[in-house]
Amino acid sequence: DAGITQSPRHKVTETGTPVTLRCHQTENHRYMYWYRQDPGHGLRLIHYSYGVKDTDKGEVSDGYSVSRSKTEDFLLTLESATSSQTSVYFCATRPDQSLQFFGPGTRLTVL
Amino acid sequence: GDSVTQMEGPVTLSEEAFLTINCTYTATGYPSLFWYVQYPGEGLQLLLKATKADDKGSNKGFEATYRKETTSFHLEKGSVQVSDSAVYFCALSRGNDYKLSFGAGTTVTVRA
Repeated sequence: DAGITQSPRHKVTETGTPVTLRCHQTENHRYMYWYRQDPGHGLRLIHYSYGVKDTDKGEVSDGYSVSRSKTEDFLLTLESATSSQTSVYFCATRPDQSLQFFGPGTRLTVL
Repeated sequence: GDSVTQMEGPVTLSEEAFLTINCTYTATGYPSLFWYVQYPGEGLQLLLKATKADDKGSNKGFEATYRKETTSFHLEKGSVQVSDSAVYFCALSRGNDYKLSFGAGTTVTVRA
């Protein structure tokens, strides 16, 4: 446990609406990641951050944007949610070693 | 690109049975290898890891050995318990950003 919280934990929204998920950490870890978990795919990386205001794309970044204005918070935004973005979203953080710690997840349903 | 392939589930076992979950990977260089476990309704927890060839990771009775010659990292436990029921993910990371590439996950159910 690396002091990672995610909010909200559950959200139901409608197609076309904007959605922002928040990841908050208390360990001052430099690296933060957003993954989505879907049946048959495991977890896939959406975006990651290697420092304040430093972000990069993962393998499934289309339709998502991120921001990191301070070390402890990493926001994931769906500008216009689609049903294909219904998923469970996990945030992870990492100190300088290879190990990643995961948050509890956010279940998002897009109707 | 990097990829991880693990055996499909679901796997159903009786208590005290032997568990093995196969995992193979494709990656250039020398990745680090991980097994993560996800209990119902929870996030992922690291189960064990290995960072170089022939390393054996172990935790809670689970073991996995990094086999570079066969590009494998199979998970084993000699005697499972009901509390081992979970989804198990094999993963690798490589490079300075240590992004994780996951397998699809294997659901394991242990019956009393």
